[in-house]
Amino acid sequence: SAVISQKPSRDICQRGTSLTIQCQVDSQVTMMFWYRQQPGQSLTLIATANQGSEATYESGFVIDKFPISRPNLTFSTLTVSNMSPEDSSIYLCSVRRGTGSGNTIYFGEGSWLTVV
Amino acid sequence: QQQVKQSPQSLIVQKGGISIINCAYENTAFDYFPWYQQFPGKGPALLIAIRPDVSEKKEGRFTISFNKSAKQFSLHIMDSQPGDSATYFCAASMNSGNTPLVFGKGTRLSVIA
Repeated sequence: SAVISQKPSRDICQRGTSLTIQCQVDSQVTMMFWYRQQPGQSLTLIATANQGSEATYESGFVIDKFPISRPNLTFSTLTVSNMSPEDSSIYLCSVRRGTGSGNTIYFGEGSWLTVV
Repeated sequence: QQQVKQSPQSLIVQKGGISIINCAYENTAFDYFPWYQQFPGKGPALLIAIRPDVSEKKEGRFTISFNKSAKQFSLHIMDSQPGDSATYFCAASMNSGNTPLVFGKGTRLSVIA
């Protein structure tokens, strides 16, 4: 399995502010994925982060709102900018580990953001 | 376009009964089908996964059945227990490369005594 640590685990944020979420993995991975899970909903992919290149964003998500950094093969950050109550969600970091038919996708515990 | 359709949205099962959750996918390039279990306040945890070279995979009380021709897969929880009460998500992805998962909408399971 993979050990994925996310910080902060929870936060209450003021409207209009920005918050950066950190994701640390216990070993090197090529791709890291950022998901959002709104209350009572499923997981939606925000972007894919590859080390050394710009993140690839899914439809409906833009870099100005969710800038991502990927400075090395074990770490990534997601910033939620200019937050509004609609951004209240769980933000999850995910990685794929293993090779070939043995690879598996793991998630961190998530960062629970409440915007007031 | 929803690539993975999951049903039912919620499920109530008696303790000791069988819980069955179904998923259907559209993209025939998908070749990795995991199920995740999520408890309140926790991130999703990998429960069991299957690849299309087998029709069934069993781990303890949890079984995935896979029907490639119908593009469907299901999770069966045998002898369901109150501790199994959680939200279950099916997902799919292409195994090759570094492709992310596409998730179903989730099933909230309640196992009652």
